[in-house]
Amino acid sequence: GENVEQHPSTLSVQEGDSAVIKCTYSDSASNYFPWYKQELGKGPQLIIDIRSNVGEKKDQRIAVTLNKTAKHFSLHITETQPEDSAVYFCAAVDNDMRFGAGTRLTVKP
Amino acid sequence: GAGVSQSPSNKVTEKGKDVELRCDPISGHTALYWYRQSLGQGLEFLIYFQGNSAPDKSGLPSDRFSAERTGGSVSTLTIQRTQQEDSAVYLCASSQEVRWNEKLFFGSGTQLSVL
Repeated sequence: GENVEQHPSTLSVQEGDSAVIKCTYSDSASNYFPWYKQELGKGPQLIIDIRSNVGEKKDQRIAVTLNKTAKHFSLHITETQPEDSAVYFCAAVDNDMRFGAGTRLTVKP
Repeated sequence: GAGVSQSPSNKVTEKGKDVELRCDPISGHTALYWYRQSLGQGLEFLIYFQGNSAPDKSGLPSDRFSAERTGGSVSTLTIQRTQQEDSAVYLCASSQEVRWNEKLFFGSGTQLSVL
């Protein structure tokens, strides 16, 4: 089955800096790659996703890039703000959805 | 309700007791999913329902775990003879249909602590 690895496990940045989280996957048939944000005490919420026919997608301060050949995809957050502090999960989808282990992002004011 | 509702939000139980966790999905969503989130770990897939049917139960960790869904709505995850390693946050999600390449709506989870 699909195996998704996510790095780093923790990330601390200064407000205004950029943050990058990377994921790799094993199943070349995976065709959908969502990113979820989980705030303390809440369930994960979808923040952006990308499908396999696209290399990059942007939504305001967040962007996701996909390299199908290398089987990796990344989340980029620019101009980080304290409210971006949360746990971020990547996932890869083929016949089911497999999540990475998560990245705890802390944005210091 | 407007979102996925889970109850209880917290459950403390003694080792060996049975527990039931409830999930009320978004109205009209035919697909329902259960995930487990252990401390510092990712989201472990347990089971999904299409309507009242669970086509694949292989994600359940052991035969102490079972789940059912009735009326195409509320689902219950039951853990029998709980063990300390069952301690985790149990998350439920729903979507309009079982198409994995679409948005999942998660509840806030049930924090289960087995003493």
